[in-house]
Amino acid sequence: GENVEQHPSTLSVQEGDSAVIKCTYSDSASNYFPWYKQELGKRPQLIIDIRSNVGEKKDQRIAVTLNKTAKHFSLHITETQPEDSAVYFCAPRTSSASKIIFGSGTRLSIRP
Amino acid sequence: NAGVMQNPRHLVRRRGQEARLRCSPMKGHSHVYWYRQLPEEGLKFMVYLQKENIIDESGMPKERFSAEFPKEGPSILRIQQVVRGDSAAYFCASSPPQGMRTEAFFGQGTRLTVV
Repeated sequence: GENVEQHPSTLSVQEGDSAVIKCTYSDSASNYFPWYKQELGKRPQLIIDIRSNVGEKKDQRIAVTLNKTAKHFSLHITETQPEDSAVYFCAPRTSSASKIIFGSGTRLSIRP
Repeated sequence: NAGVMQNPRHLVRRRGQEARLRCSPMKGHSHVYWYRQLPEEGLKFMVYLQKENIIDESGMPKERFSAEFPKEGPSILRIQQVVRGDSAAYFCASSPPQGMRTEAFFGQGTRLTVV
């Protein structure tokens, strides 16, 4: 938590290709690592999360990988589809009572 | 479980009026967070509350803005004497008590327009 950076800020990929978004954080006490997807005009929704006791989690076409030593985690989307077009936010945090700081967001566009 | 409920969905206020935004957290959630989002921008943290307590208000302007989360009823974000720059989408999110699952769930947002 606290200092959170996302890269890239925009990403355009061909439909069917893979997309990777990286989130870097500064608080070494962070132990919960979610990714949110926000479609145009809608609320952010949790799509996948990982806790610090595992290095990778997969759910169909999306996966999250965690490198606690380097303090970053990444969102992987394979076989991208038009409905994956959205803004994606990371929000690393600790389980203790603390505010939730979001990354600045990555706008993903899928080219047909 | 109805999820996080925000109302109104859209709010139009003239400059100088007051805006009151309401957020009812998910059942069993005692933590509420408020965020502001300008078009094409990210989620800017404003305030974090638990029942009857403000835990962190470091993101909220010192003047004109206030928030509460009473023992009974929804959390309220109040903006006094609104200005054009207050026009934005305001989202609230809720999460379970400390020590439990830490997912935060968002409401649909209130889109405030100041004319």
